[in-house]
Amino acid sequence: KAGVTQTPRYLIKTRGQQVTLSCSPISGHRSVSWYQQTPGQGLQFLFEYFSETQRNKGNFPGRFSGRQFSNSRSEMNVSTLELGDSALYLCASSPTGAGNQPQHFGDGTRLSIL
Amino acid sequence: AQSVTQLGSHVSVSEGALVLLRCNYSSSVPPYLFWYVQYPNQGLQLLLKYTTGATLVKGINGFEAEFKKSETSFHLTKPSAHMSDAAEYFCAVTVADRGSTLGRLYFGRGTQLTVWP
Repeated sequence: KAGVTQTPRYLIKTRGQQVTLSCSPISGHRSVSWYQQTPGQGLQFLFEYFSETQRNKGNFPGRFSGRQFSNSRSEMNVSTLELGDSALYLCASSPTGAGNQPQHFGDGTRLSIL
Repeated sequence: AQSVTQLGSHVSVSEGALVLLRCNYSSSVPPYLFWYVQYPNQGLQLLLKYTTGATLVKGINGFEAEFKKSETSFHLTKPSAHMSDAAEYFCAVTVADRGSTLGRLYFGRGTQLTVWP
């Protein structure tokens, strides 16, 4: 069974640009969550999608948005990039997002802002 | 609110020595607890989980953890460290009730494990 796939693995952008990251969950998983990992703040929850609906959202500005498609694939968009958005962005999937289901992570997209 | 505290951002052990990584949590409701490992330039890999039942749980690569409700702890141990265990380890918690926190993982700040030959 293929794992969670995130593309691209690396991205370099400049301030003010926007970026879209993609995540393909494990086949059959309908819940997709996104996390931001930085040395200063650690791992922080961005949002979770289930059946194309955002079900849960972390404490990030509106520049961070996402969506989920009918095949459960998800995209995350960040607009008006800031230097502080440099981070590893991790996507995770689980069957239904229930708390007792472990989340399976992709290898992440490393975003660097110049 | 849920939170996780990992005592010790860096732990160093010799190969063959006991590994003990500490994790304490706070939760207003019964928690589900997880340990993940992260190798350089990779995502998080699940080591083990506690949901219900037996409080001593065994995971991959010889790791185990014990859920102690009275101490709100979920420490990770391995009897004998191997060089390949060098990585960063994260303790995480979700909650058992329905609501806005469903499916959301709260992570500790991580513990970097170094294994000396």
